[in-house]
Amino acid sequence: GENVEQHPSTLSVQEGDSAVIKCTYSDSASNYFPWYKQELGKRPQLIIDIRSNVGEKKDQRIAVTLNKTAKHFSLHITETQPEDSAVYFCAARGYQKVTFGTGTKLQVIP
Amino acid sequence: EPEVTQTPSHQVTQMGQEVILRCVPISNHLYFYWYRQILGQKVEFLVSFYNNEISEKSEIFDDQFSVERPDGSNFTLKIRSTKLEDSAMYFCASSWTSGQPNPSTDTQYFGPGTRLTVL
Repeated sequence: GENVEQHPSTLSVQEGDSAVIKCTYSDSASNYFPWYKQELGKRPQLIIDIRSNVGEKKDQRIAVTLNKTAKHFSLHITETQPEDSAVYFCAARGYQKVTFGTGTKLQVIP
Repeated sequence: EPEVTQTPSHQVTQMGQEVILRCVPISNHLYFYWYRQILGQKVEFLVSFYNNEISEKSEIFDDQFSVERPDGSNFTLKIRSTKLEDSAMYFCASSWTSGQPNPSTDTQYFGPGTRLTVL
């Protein structure tokens, strides 16, 4: 089955700096890669996603890149703000099952 | 904006008891899912459900688990005989389609979760 690795597990950045979270996946059949933000005690919220026919996608301060050949995908947050502090999960999906990474706890220091 | 809802928000039960967790998916969605998240760990897929049958399940989803859509709005997860290790947050999710190339129609939207505590 699919295996998603995520790094780093924790990340502290100064407000205004950029944050990068990296993931790898194992199943070449995966074709959809969502990123979720989860605040403490709350549901995972989809923040951005990318499909296998696209190499990069941007939405304001958030961007994702996908390298299908290397099975790598990354989340980039620019101009970080304190409200970006949360746990971020990458995920990969083939048909229905979404396999999540282990999460990155992002702390943005004011 | 429509949202997935779940009840109860917190369920406490004794080991060996049966529990039923309830979800109301977004009304025009056709695919339904259950995930669980043990405290401090990642979200894990349990099962997907379409057209009144299970379409995919993980190795976690053993004979102790079952899912049902008893009416046109509810989607339930039953655990027959709870174990201590079943303690987790259980998330329901729904999507309109699945595995389709059409953007946004197969996005899975998560409910707020039910925290299950097994004593």
